[in-house]
Amino acid sequence: NAGVTQTPKFQVLKTGQSMTLQCAQDMNHNSMYWYRQDPGMGLRLIYYSASEGTTDKGEVPNGYNVSRLNKREFSLRLESAAPSQTSVYFCASRGQGDTEAFFGQGTRLTVV
Amino acid sequence: QKEVEQDPGPLSVPEGAIVSLNCTYSNSAFQYFMWYRQYSRKGPELLMYTYSSGNKEDGRFTAQVDKSSKYISLFIRDSQPSDSATYLCAMRGTSGSRLTFGEGTQLTVNP
Repeated sequence: NAGVTQTPKFQVLKTGQSMTLQCAQDMNHNSMYWYRQDPGMGLRLIYYSASEGTTDKGEVPNGYNVSRLNKREFSLRLESAAPSQTSVYFCASRGQGDTEAFFGQGTRLTVV
Repeated sequence: QKEVEQDPGPLSVPEGAIVSLNCTYSNSAFQYFMWYRQYSRKGPELLMYTYSSGNKEDGRFTAQVDKSSKYISLFIRDSQPSDSATYLCAMRGTSGSRLTFGEGTQLTVNP
C-alpha cells in the first residue's frame, strides 16, 4: 500500500524554468491538497481539490497552477520558477468524511 | 493575523518530562482539531484528533480543546527521545475540506 506518492523527491531549477510536481494516491480519496513548508511559516495551503474535476485556491496560490487529472492524481505546476518558491512541497489526500489527511514524503525544490 | 498561532520553539526537555504544546486560533467555524507529528525529512503523520471541545487520551498523549477560549493543547507524559519531532496543530470546519495548520513546534527530548 503506497499511500501518497510524490515525484520527484529533489529538484534544482534555474530561475524562469518550469516544472510539474506529480502526486498520486491509491486510497480512493476524494480530496487532495498541495502545501509548501518553509522555516518559520509552517505548512501553507497552495491549492486543493475537494473532488475530481474541482480545484480551489488556498492561502498562497500565486505562481502555481494545478490539475486534478483524475481521482488518483493531482499535479502542481510552476510556470516560471522564482527563488521565493524554494521550499519543501507536500501533497496530501483525505477521504470523504475522514478526519485524517495522509501526506506524501515531500519534494525538496531549490530555485537558483 | 494568522488563523492559527503556534509557538515554534524550539523546546528542549529531559527524558521523562511532561511536555505541553499549545495553539490558539481565531476562526470560530473550526470544529475538528488535530495534532500531527513530523520527523525530520518526513511528511506529517496524524497523532490525535478531537471533535469540538473536550479531552482525548491515547497512551502517553492527551489532547484538549477549549473552544470558548479558542485554545488547544497536546500533553505528552513520560516523554521519550523518540518523541523528538516537530508537532503541528491543524484544524478545519465541518463543511469544506480546507485544513489549516499552525507553524509547528520543534521538540527535542534529551536522554
